Amino acid sequence: DIQMTQSPSTLSASVGDRVTITCRASQSISSWLAWYQQKPGKAPNLLIYKASSLESGVPSRFNGSGSGTEFTLTISSLQPDDFATYYCQQYNSFSPTFGQGTNVEVK
Amino acid sequence: QVQLVESGGGVVQPGRSLGLSCVASGLTFSSSVMHWVRQAPGKGLEWVATISFDGNIKFYSNSVKGRFSISRDNSKNTLYLQMNSLRAEDTALYYCAREGSSSGYSGYFDFWGQGTLVTVSS
Repeated sequence: DIQMTQSPSTLSASVGDRVTITCRASQSISSWLAWYQQKPGKAPNLLIYKASSLESGVPSRFNGSGSGTEFTLTISSLQPDDFATYYCQQYNSFSPTFGQGTNVEVK
Repeated sequence: QVQLVESGGGVVQPGRSLGLSCVASGLTFSSSVMHWVRQAPGKGLEWVATISFDGNIKFYSNSVKGRFSISRDNSKNTLYLQMNSLRAEDTALYYCAREGSSSGYSGYFDFWGQGTLVTVSS
C-alpha cells in the first residue's frame, strides 16, 4: 500500500494566520490526492480533490497544490470555523490510503 | 440533498458476525460507486471496501479481505457490509461514503454518512 505522511501532526495557530499542511506519498501518485476536514463527532468533509480542485461550496481560502509525492494544503487566512483535523488521502491505486491527520488547534 | 444513513452497529464478541446497512437518498444510487471507510476511536481514517454501481466489481483492504463482504441492493437504495470473524482491531465507527467522481471510479469520497459504531469486545 502507498503510505501517506502528514506534517505537522499538530499545528497551533491564530485566526487570520496563513496555515500550511504538508502531505508526502511513499511513491508517486500523480495528482490523485484529496484533502478532508473533520470536526469532533462529525464525518469528514471533502475540501480538495485531484490535488488542487476545490470542491463545490468550499471557501476559496482553502488551496491545494503539488504533484508526484509532495502536496500542500494552505489556508490563506484561518477562520474560527477552520479549527479541525485535516487528512490527506491518495487514490492512485485501488487501495486508497489516508495520512494520519493534522490537528489545527487554537494557539 | 444527499443523505447516507448507516445502521447495524453494536457490541459483538470476537469471532462473531455483524451486518451494517447504509440507506441512501437524494442521489442516483444505482449510478453511484460506493465505499465503506472506518475510524477507530481517536484514530485516523481507513478505507475498507468499494463496490461498483452494479455490484459486479468489489475491492477490499488487506485488513478485511476474506472476512468482510460489501454488497448493494439498488432497488432499495441500500449498501451493505457483512463482517465475519470480527476482531478487536475492527472496533471503529463505520462510514458509508459516495464516490466523488461523476465519471465512475476514482477513489475519493464526496458525501459521507454519520457512521455506525462497531465495538468488538468479549
